[in-house]
Amino acid sequence: SQQGEEDPQALSIQEGENATMNCSYKTSINNLQWYRQNSGRGLVHLILIRSNEREKHSGRLRVTLDTSKKSSSLLITASRAADTASYFCATVSSSNTGKLIFGQGTTLQVKP
Amino acid sequence: GAVVSQHPSWVICKSGTSVKIECRSLDFQATTMFWYRQFPKQSLMLMATSNEGSKATYEQGVEKDKFLINHASLTLSTLTVTSAHPEDSSFYICSARLGVAGQPQHFGDGTRLSIL
Repeated sequence: SQQGEEDPQALSIQEGENATMNCSYKTSINNLQWYRQNSGRGLVHLILIRSNEREKHSGRLRVTLDTSKKSSSLLITASRAADTASYFCATVSSSNTGKLIFGQGTTLQVKP
Repeated sequence: GAVVSQHPSWVICKSGTSVKIECRSLDFQATTMFWYRQFPKQSLMLMATSNEGSKATYEQGVEKDKFLINHASLTLSTLTVTSAHPEDSSFYICSARLGVAGQPQHFGDGTRLSIL
């Protein structure tokens, strides 16, 4: 079952601008992961943030986690046309066997 | 590293045909693989967890006799859609986990299945 809600569902920005995507979840988690999916392809892991972490960086990506609000955000700075893709958050709950529960995803379009 | 290969990438076949999809971890051993289904413009729905050497664990609502999963080695899991019908048309994606539970999964490029 899916538990994540993401917003916005779709986002269109100009190259060079920042893109922020938000994810909310319902149960307590072990960690939260962000993935990217290019159209018609599989998913690529971007970043993992543990439940005891509040912020993590990787290149142009910045992820925050607020476990009190059960929410996370993904910020892509200085976006490029090649960042155009769908972005999904996925949670690993504290109680399951490591299954990923995916959010609905945000479709990002970066215009050159 | 951590490459997962999924084959075939595209299948078109007649109703009633059984279709086998392969998922291989090319450069690592995966004791656990996962099979997902994705409808257009929607998220991934976990169908089953495939464990090497044991029976797969299916999610609620997924028919195990319809979607046969075999994980006979540490590098290969197969999903067979038996007697496929048009409603089985979808994008099927596999993934493999390199480490322990909770670690990132590595995904294949998916198989687009179209049943006529």
